[in-house]
Amino acid sequence: NAGVMQNPRHLVRRRGQEARLRCSPMKGHSHVYWYRQLPEEGLKFMVYLQKENIIDESGMPKERFSAEFPKEGPSILRIQQVVRGDSAAYFCASSPDAATSVLTFGAGSRLTVL
Amino acid sequence: AQSVAQPEDQVNVAEGNPLTVKCTYSVSGNPYLFWYVQYPNRGLQFLLKYITGDNLVKGSYGFEAEFNKSQTSFHLKKPSALVSDSALYFCAVREPTGANNLFFGTGTRLTVIP
Repeated sequence: NAGVMQNPRHLVRRRGQEARLRCSPMKGHSHVYWYRQLPEEGLKFMVYLQKENIIDESGMPKERFSAEFPKEGPSILRIQQVVRGDSAAYFCASSPDAATSVLTFGAGSRLTVL
Repeated sequence: AQSVAQPEDQVNVAEGNPLTVKCTYSVSGNPYLFWYVQYPNRGLQFLLKYITGDNLVKGSYGFEAEFNKSQTSFHLKKPSALVSDSALYFCAVREPTGANNLFFGTGTRLTVIP
């Protein structure tokens, strides 16, 4: 069991470019969560998705950020027109269902905006 | 609204001494409480959780935590610290109903001094 796989592990973008972060949940998990960790801060919830549905996006910035979890393939967090303030570590977690309270986290994707 | 407070950014303890990492929470209803640990450049690893039952919860690597409802606290403890316990520790909470996403504290950096 490969666990939660995130790629790329490191991504460098210039201001104004787009960033796409991918997350493949653990086998058998259909619920995905994205968190952002700014330097020296805790994790902030962004969005919770189930296959083809967004369950809770209360932590997503209103502009430039979007997330999807298609029927086939990984979940994708997309950041358009990146700014320096988007530089952070983005963590994905998964769970098999809504009742399982323990989330399994990936190793994270570190975005650096130049 | 749910929230978590970790009042100490940094905790230093000598190897072999007992350690405590503090956490207080605010949530509607009976909380689900968690501790996760993060090692450098790694994702979060689950340590332990409290859902219901015995207030003293035992977890991985010899850690335990005590749920105190009157003080709304869930402090992490270990009787004898190891140098390898040095890491960033996060307390998290979720409400028993609703979405499965966790809300994290800002983290406490534990340093065990040889």
